[in-house]
Amino acid sequence: SQQGEEDPQALSIQEGENATMNCSYKTSINNLQWYRQNSGRGLVHLILIRSNEREKHSGRLRVTLDTSKKSSSLLITASRAADTASYFCATDRGIYQETSGSRLTFGEGTQLTVNP
Amino acid sequence: DVKVTQSSRYLVKRTGEKVFLECVQDMDHENMFWYRQDPGLGLRLIYFSYDVKMKEKGDIPEGYSVSREKKERFSLILESASTNQTSMYLCASSFVAAAKVGGNSPLHFGNGTRLTVT
Repeated sequence: SQQGEEDPQALSIQEGENATMNCSYKTSINNLQWYRQNSGRGLVHLILIRSNEREKHSGRLRVTLDTSKKSSSLLITASRAADTASYFCATDRGIYQETSGSRLTFGEGTQLTVNP
Repeated sequence: DVKVTQSSRYLVKRTGEKVFLECVQDMDHENMFWYRQDPGLGLRLIYFSYDVKMKEKGDIPEGYSVSREKKERFSLILESASTNQTSMYLCASSFVAAAKVGGNSPLHFGNGTRLTVT
């Protein structure tokens, strides 16, 4: 199965509510990244949290990382209809290669729908 | 802003055809990647390249090859297209990580090529 697995697979909320998505992984990591994908488009990087960090903020986004539980969560506060998208977590495998850095492994994503 | 451009948004090819998917980035990134995205399977890495003429296999390289003759361009080649290669193909690029602790820099993705093989 995938290194990163998002939960839930789908989430539907009302505008103004908070949305929380979770990601679990199996092996040790150097960092964990969250990406967003609008329908039919490529992925856009949202935030990166390193293994020695526990929490990170960027605008309405808050990411936490618990390496003891091998899990991360992405919180979007005061959601808007424009936040409707799929959200992916991506982890490296903790194996650093001198030539290319680490290789990311993506989960299957959480489909977030924010209703106006 | 970094721009990663994939040459086609939609492509329809016949079984057995040779298919070229092109990707160009404008930020002098060392790394370039090809992923395919399928429902229920997420994104899977096909090949990546960390320098001109260098390539490494990803998780699902079978049936694919790549070419990187110039730093800004990374091509994915389907030697003989098959129906199970119908998918969304995503190209991405990134800098090589600056330090061993902290790992990768973020990936910048193109908008994808939706390939249908009939």
